[in-house]
Amino acid sequence: AQKITQTQPGMFVQEKEAVTLDCTYDTSDPSYGLFWYKQPSSGEMIFLIYQGSYDQQNATEGRYSLNFQKARKSANLVISASQLGDSAMYFCAMRENIQGAQKLVFGQGTRLTINP
Amino acid sequence: DADVTQTPRNRITKTGKRIMLECSQTKGHDRMYWYRQDPGLGLRLIYYSFDVKDINKGEISDGYSVSRQAQAKFSLSLESAIPNQTALYFCATSADRYSQPQHFGDGTRLSIL
Repeated sequence: AQKITQTQPGMFVQEKEAVTLDCTYDTSDPSYGLFWYKQPSSGEMIFLIYQGSYDQQNATEGRYSLNFQKARKSANLVISASQLGDSAMYFCAMRENIQGAQKLVFGQGTRLTINP
Repeated sequence: DADVTQTPRNRITKTGKRIMLECSQTKGHDRMYWYRQDPGLGLRLIYYSFDVKDINKGEISDGYSVSRQAQAKFSLSLESAIPNQTALYFCATSADRYSQPQHFGDGTRLSIL
């Protein structure tokens, strides 16, 4: 069974609009972490935001926020006031704690295109 | 200079050749990882290392080997490359803290003909 599911292969949004990228996860571990990464066309992986399973508040980093709904096992990324430079692949990942080491399990990604 | 450096950035080679991808980091992290990314897919873990003396297989280790030469260096080898190993390969590091993200190199684009 897939542990991280990103149901939107592609999204198209007008510049300056807000966009929500969906991510659902599956784990029986009460302690876990969720990460979002951005991969522009140049290929590098850029860390955006982190949410821990015990965090009481939704994480925010500038224009990025994470809508964390623990009971629904969802961790959606919200980008406010989208910009052309936001066009990229976005990956949701969940940390599994394997013998003390972080092991990230990635979803298949969502390709976001911002239209002018 | 980049905190996590991968060499080479691009490589084209032939089936059956031995290939080594190298990764070095200046972040001082103990934990290092190798991933591969196939077109349209997320990253999959090949190997990871807690420290110099500790190497662990990930979900797709067959056909690969690794060497942790020092805390800062972690190399990935394909002993006899095959075309379905054509992919984008990433090295990553992480600190020994639960909430810290993994930091990725810029990737090595490998093509096997």
